Amino acid sequence: ETGVTQTPRHLVMGMTNKKSLKCEQHLGHNAMYWYKQSAKKPLELMFVYSLEERVENNSVPSRFSPECPNSSHLFLHLHTLQPEDSALYLCASSLNEADTQYFGPGTRLTVL
Amino acid sequence: KNEVEQSPQNLTAQEGEFITINCSYSVGISALHWLQQHPGGGIVSLFMLSSGKKKHGRLIATINIQEKHSSLHITASHPRDSAVYICAPYGGATNKLIFGTGTLLAVQP
Repeated sequence: ETGVTQTPRHLVMGMTNKKSLKCEQHLGHNAMYWYKQSAKKPLELMFVYSLEERVENNSVPSRFSPECPNSSHLFLHLHTLQPEDSALYLCASSLNEADTQYFGPGTRLTVL
Repeated sequence: KNEVEQSPQNLTAQEGEFITINCSYSVGISALHWLQQHPGGGIVSLFMLSSGKKKHGRLIATINIQEKHSSLHITASHPRDSAVYICAPYGGATNKLIFGTGTLLAVQP
């Protein structure tokens, strides 16, 4: 238990659906991250928020839309996804950007 | 060429064996993380180090900044150590974590 929670843990959606992934931490951390992990590939950084401001957007398609309403919560809004977006989506947080990151358990997403 | 290379990619060991996983990187870094990912996806940060050596229980991590190399050692390995071990230097052109592809370790009883 790292103190970072993610919901849902599993999600199956069609290409026309809209869904959201939620990440929550009450560790007092200032930085939060979304990562994508596809089979047989390294973790890919998608978004970084520091003090609730987006500081990194690694050329992620616009069908992924992050939201950070406060320092404890991070969302990833999904719409019109493609089957190749099926992956494990991991959230992490750290005190500041250079510090140890604490990962949530991930959401296993399947796009049909 | 990948910025982070781990070896071996797969490793099978017998319980009790001493295990070494290596990581080489090509970018300038300020720190390096070792992460453990169990089946099911959960990732745990094992170490963050910027020089020398750190030890936590049966795990030891070393780094040589000049040679751009780090190693993770597991002493007296146990089946519960079976996981993917990921090396992640912090730095590079983007000043972010750069992840290796991981080493899949299976420790057999």
